[in-house]
Amino acid sequence: AQSVAQPEDQVNVAEGNPLTVKCTYSVSGNPYLFWYVQYPNRGLQFLLKYITGDNLVKGSYGFEAEFNKSQTSFHLKKPSALVSDSALYFCAVRPPSGQNFVFGPGTRLSVLP
Amino acid sequence: GAVVSQHPSRVICKSGTSVKIECRSLDFQATTMFWYRQFPKQSLMLMATSNEGSKATYEQGVEKDKFLINHASLTLSTLTVTSAHPEDSSFYICSAVGGANEKLFFGSGTQLSVL
Repeated sequence: AQSVAQPEDQVNVAEGNPLTVKCTYSVSGNPYLFWYVQYPNRGLQFLLKYITGDNLVKGSYGFEAEFNKSQTSFHLKKPSALVSDSALYFCAVRPPSGQNFVFGPGTRLSVLP
Repeated sequence: GAVVSQHPSRVICKSGTSVKIECRSLDFQATTMFWYRQFPKQSLMLMATSNEGSKATYEQGVEKDKFLINHASLTLSTLTVTSAHPEDSSFYICSAVGGANEKLFFGSGTQLSVL
């Protein structure tokens, strides 16, 4: 069965420190990988995606993610966190053979001033 | 865990007809639901935010008369694509806010093909 795991329900970091939000997946083949963010009272916003190529993908708002095929991971990172980064983050995969997304359960990021 | 059911998963219709897509929260009450659309080879695009008992809030560029959203109860929101045209062919997905931690849960999506 296809699945996406975000092992941390909540991540707390101090402003200015680096942040990592973890994501691992179980999908056959070479899936497309995505990160989305949900700010309070808003829908999803696209951050970045990995289709093929360089394992380090750069996205919106200074975020980046590293694709690791052997570990089937796609962790989201940012070198220096901002208080305004506090939000819910969702990892998603789309199997190469299909259209439907599989979303992780989400990780709540809190950046403390 | 909370489940969002979206139906149908795939629909093919003739140009000019209307298509209704349902999004149900199965074990929680969802005061807010979101509707997204995915264009080929692109990411999800937020179309509108649906709040139970009130009019939906549409994102810029989304035609509210074409994409009718109704959120009549705490467990059901519908998206009706009126007078569908081939350019409306796309993947539509809904999500609902709910559960103890007010998390976001997603339906499995609807692939619409307009001939």
